[in-house]
Amino acid sequence: DQQVKQNSPSLSVQEGRISILNCDYTNSMFDYFLWYKKYPAEGPTFLISISSIKDKNEDGRFTVFLNKSAKHLSLHIVPSQPGDSAVYFCAASGMDSSYKLIFGSGTRLLVRP
Amino acid sequence: NAGVTQTPKFRVLKTGQSMTLLCAQDMNHEYMYWYRQDPGMGLRLIHYSVGEGTTAKGEVPDGYNVSRLKKQNFLLGLESAAPSQTSVYFCASRRGQGWNQPQHFGDGTRLSIL
Repeated sequence: DQQVKQNSPSLSVQEGRISILNCDYTNSMFDYFLWYKKYPAEGPTFLISISSIKDKNEDGRFTVFLNKSAKHLSLHIVPSQPGDSAVYFCAASGMDSSYKLIFGSGTRLLVRP
Repeated sequence: NAGVTQTPKFRVLKTGQSMTLLCAQDMNHEYMYWYRQDPGMGLRLIHYSVGEGTTAKGEVPDGYNVSRLKKQNFLLGLESAAPSQTSVYFCASRRGQGWNQPQHFGDGTRLSIL
């Protein structure tokens, strides 16, 4: 049973527009959420994170929103650029001193010039 | 600064052969992790270590063993490779305690078992 779900395998967006990537989770014990970006033949790269005590975190063009009651988070990229084309993984961590991450299956974003 | 380095990058094995994947980090991180990624799936945790000399099982540990004899190295072993272990393996490290510490990943080892 997947605890972290990314229900959209792919997303295509025009350059300059907003990209919205979604993630749902089922475990209410998760309290830290991260987004990673992955290019082909490379490892995932940390993008942005959010703690469960917040509902929004911004870093430049990237904003993550957390809705705890809905167990839902989203990543907004504004404006989208062709270099943002990659696979984006949502990950969650619970109250565990191992800081283990549970990953979603990823969403492939294509930003069209 | 190399970060997290995985060796080798590619390998083809025959069923029943054994091999060791090496992960090395130069950031003096306490925590290290091994994941596998299969098509259409996210990364799944195989084993992890919270410090030198410690190891623990993750979500999918069967068929793998690990060792953390030195803080900077985390080895993943396959004693008798099976086709189901064909995957891309990623190693990650994390500085230490505290929730705002992301994991840093290597570029992966692509392993094919024939």
